[in-house]
Formats: sequence, structure tokens, C-alpha cells
Amino acid sequence: QSALTQPASVSGSPGQSITISCTGTSSDVGSYNLVSWYQQHPGKAPKLIVYDVNKRPSGVSNRFSASKSGNTASLTISGLQAEDEADYYCCSYADSSSSYVIFGGGTKLTVL
Amino acid sequence: EVQLVESGGGLVQPGGSLRLSCATSGFILSSYEMNWVRQAPGKGLEWVSYLSGGGGIKYYTDSVQGRFTISRENAKNSVYLQMNSLRVEDTAIYYCARSHHPAYCSGGNCWAFDIWGQGTMVTVSS
Repeated sequence: QSALTQPASVSGSPGQSITISCTGTSSDVGSYNLVSWYQQHPGKAPKLIVYDVNKRPSGVSNRFSASKSGNTASLTISGLQAEDEADYYCCSYADSSSSYVIFGGGTKLTVL
Repeated sequence: EVQLVESGGGLVQPGGSLRLSCATSGFILSSYEMNWVRQAPGKGLEWVSYLSGGGGIKYYTDSVQGRFTISRENAKNSVYLQMNSLRVEDTAIYYCARSHHPAYCSGGNCWAFDIWGQGTMVTVSS
């Protein structure tokens, strides 16, 4: 099972909004509302920011929102702040013989 | 404070073994499913293994099936990953990660990881 497809990098200026896409297949993203997103700062552990496609854990800013359409999930960050600069990974449950969970390759967000 | 602390990483030769430990605190371990996720140097995240709260259900990604074994001792608040027949490609930071409680998920297990440890580095090299 291949990794979910994310853009390698995105960028935006403070205050702007950006969207990161995550494309899978009908065996993962397209079939299950079990998409999650993680933020990872350099040298740190990942942090859960979205689960069940569009739910935010307690304490996560409402500047983070997410959705899904077909085989593609999306994460939107509004009102970009310097501290949002990090790597972002999508993740999905997968009906696969090789793995139950598949991550995206990661997207480096640069705040200009 | 909810916390996960991994230990047991190190340098090992190809074909060797290591046992990783994950010490948990701040929550009732038996109420949560647990996972191991790894990250090769400069690369993305890769889910490795899952273990149910009672320890009876285990899942592995294909590349470690038959070589790695996940286990838990709820009374000791610990989760383990026994890694045998290690390969160069197993080199990575290994994170212990707690599954988000099913009560928050629409359909039970939402396969999301809400608490992560700081990771322990495993290097497989001759």
C-alpha cells in the first residue's frame, strides 16, 4: 500500500489561509471517515490536530479545519501564524492486506 | 499529566534484537489501545503496530510481521515492542502512541493517535 499523496511543501504569509491536500484511494480515504492530521515541529513528536475527518481534539485551535471529498482529504489553516510552520501529515485507516494505517508523505509548511 | 516515555533504543547489528519499552502515566492504560509508529531519519511517519486494551488483538504492518511483537503489562503501565531479525531499513525513531479514546470517535476506534512519547532511536548498522 503506497503512502497517501501530499504536496511536499506549501507556504503562506501571516494572516493568510492555506490548504494541504491528501489524496488516497477507495481502499482508504475514500471508504472511511477515519482521516486524521498531525503537526510535527522539528525534533518534536507529532501532535494530533484533527481526527474523524473534521473533529478537533480539545485544545486545538479552531484555525485548523478539515474536510474530505471522495478520495481526497484537506486540511485548512486560517489566520496563519509563525508557530504554524511545521510538517503536517495526514493519516487514514486502510482496508489493506499490508497495513491498517497509512500516513501521507508529509507537507512542509513555511510561513513567509 | 498524561505522558508516554519510550526507552530501549540503541545501535544493533543487522539480524539483532531490541526490546523497546513505553512507560505510561496519567491515565488508565487498560482503557486505551496503544500503537508504535516510526520515523526514519528525514522521512515521514509509518505506523508499525497496534494493540487492544486487553492485549488480545494485535496488528502489524507487513514489513515487520513475524519479526516484531507488541505486548503490554497494564499493571505496570507499560507497553513493549520486541524487535527481532532487525534490518537496516528498521532504522528510525520509534514512537509509542495512544489511540484516541473510542468514546470520542464516531464509530469506535478512530485510528487516531492523541498522545505521543518523545521517541527512542533505533539504529541498525554493521
